[in-house]
Amino acid sequence: DTEVTQTPKHLVMGMTNKKSLKCEQHMGHRAMYWYKQKAKKPPELMFVYSYEKLSINESVPSRFSPECPNSSLLNLHLHALQPEDSALYLCASSPQVGVHTGELFFGEGSRLTVL
Amino acid sequence: RKEVEQDPGPFNVPEGATVAFNCTYSNSASQSFFWYRQDCRKEPKLLMSVYSSGNEDGRFTAQLNRASQYISLLIRDSKLSDSATYLCVVPGYTGFQKLVFGTGTRLLVSP
Repeated sequence: DTEVTQTPKHLVMGMTNKKSLKCEQHMGHRAMYWYKQKAKKPPELMFVYSYEKLSINESVPSRFSPECPNSSLLNLHLHALQPEDSALYLCASSPQVGVHTGELFFGEGSRLTVL
Repeated sequence: RKEVEQDPGPFNVPEGATVAFNCTYSNSASQSFFWYRQDCRKEPKLLMSVYSSGNEDGRFTAQLNRASQYISLLIRDSKLSDSATYLCVVPGYTGFQKLVFGTGTRLLVSP
């Protein structure tokens, strides 16, 4: 079982809805990430939090709003999404930023469908 | 040149075969490299990290060729359970936090 927990596992929402994806890890990791993955494509980085501060935003549209309430939690707030935003949203964590940053622990993902 | 390139496959091999995948990268300053495995509709999982010339873990061997800027993954004695997509991952030009995932190589091991 993965040590990064994501909820919900599946989410269907309309374009006018507001919803949130949640991610939790209790490994003491100080870096957390949101990735987006479309079918048959590799994960694409969206956001990186390092020590609870946003350090990378990969020019993600403002309809996606990340939040890191504490070192164990990462949220992704969704508002006014488009059908093309339908994808698997993966949360990941790593012990720290640095040469070992590539050792990511992924959650099982939240599969989002936007109608 | 793309930051990371992989042959998408699929590689179809029988059980017990040895199979190797290559991954080329463009950032000559990269110091660390990673292979992830992703099963269908599942999350990626770290398979191996490579920080020097190579790494070995059981049936899996990763080798780094800095001169030619590629890393390889060798799987010996393939099992049916090895069927998955193998993703090559390297840090991007902007630093360690931004990892670049290759498109993945699909492996199908048949009985």
